[in-house]
Amino acid sequence: AQSVSQHNHHVILSEAASLELGCNYSYGGTVNLFWYVQYPGQHLQLLLKYFSGDPLVKGIKGFEAEFIKSKFSFNLRKPSVQWSDTAEYFCAVTRPNTDKLIFGTGTRLQVFP
Amino acid sequence: DAGVIQSPRHEVTEMGQEVTLRCKPISGHDYLFWYRQTMMRGLELLIYFNNNVPIDDSGMPEDRFSAKMPNASFSTLKIQPSEPRDSAVYFCASSLYRGHTEAFFGQGTRLTVV
Repeated sequence: AQSVSQHNHHVILSEAASLELGCNYSYGGTVNLFWYVQYPGQHLQLLLKYFSGDPLVKGIKGFEAEFIKSKFSFNLRKPSVQWSDTAEYFCAVTRPNTDKLIFGTGTRLQVFP
Repeated sequence: DAGVIQSPRHEVTEMGQEVTLRCKPISGHDYLFWYRQTMMRGLELLIYFNNNVPIDDSGMPEDRFSAKMPNASFSTLKIQPSEPRDSAVYFCASSLYRGHTEAFFGQGTRLTVV
């Protein structure tokens, strides 16, 4: 079965610290990969996505993610976090010839000034 | 476009009552998804539709749950009878293409069953 693992459940950082959130998936075929963000009390919004091409993907608000096929990983990074990055972050995966978007359990990020 | 619209935003109901959640997808989107979000289980895909046809309902937890999409601009998720363990936030999302380009989410319905 296809699954998505996010090992960091809760991350606490100070402003200006660097961020890396882990995401691993279990499916071995060709996948599409996404990171979504959910700010407190709001709906999910897309941060970035990978379908093909350059495995280093740039997203909004200074976020980026790197697809490493050999490691089945798609980790999210940001060099310097801000208080406004406090949110829950979800990794998600689909296969191109299926339409199911499967989410990880999420990582709650708290950034303190 | 106003985005994906869900109603109601909050619903409190007594155990045993019928609950109907509503969703209006973005115009022109072919896919519609219903998710349930809880602290324990995260975001679970319940069911999704393509061109108003249910494609995969394997995530629907029990027969008490049912979903319909009578036309391209409206979908419902019904729970009958509701139970306290159904308390969660239910999200509807829509997207354009097969293979799943970006999914756009509604604001969610927070359901509390007492």
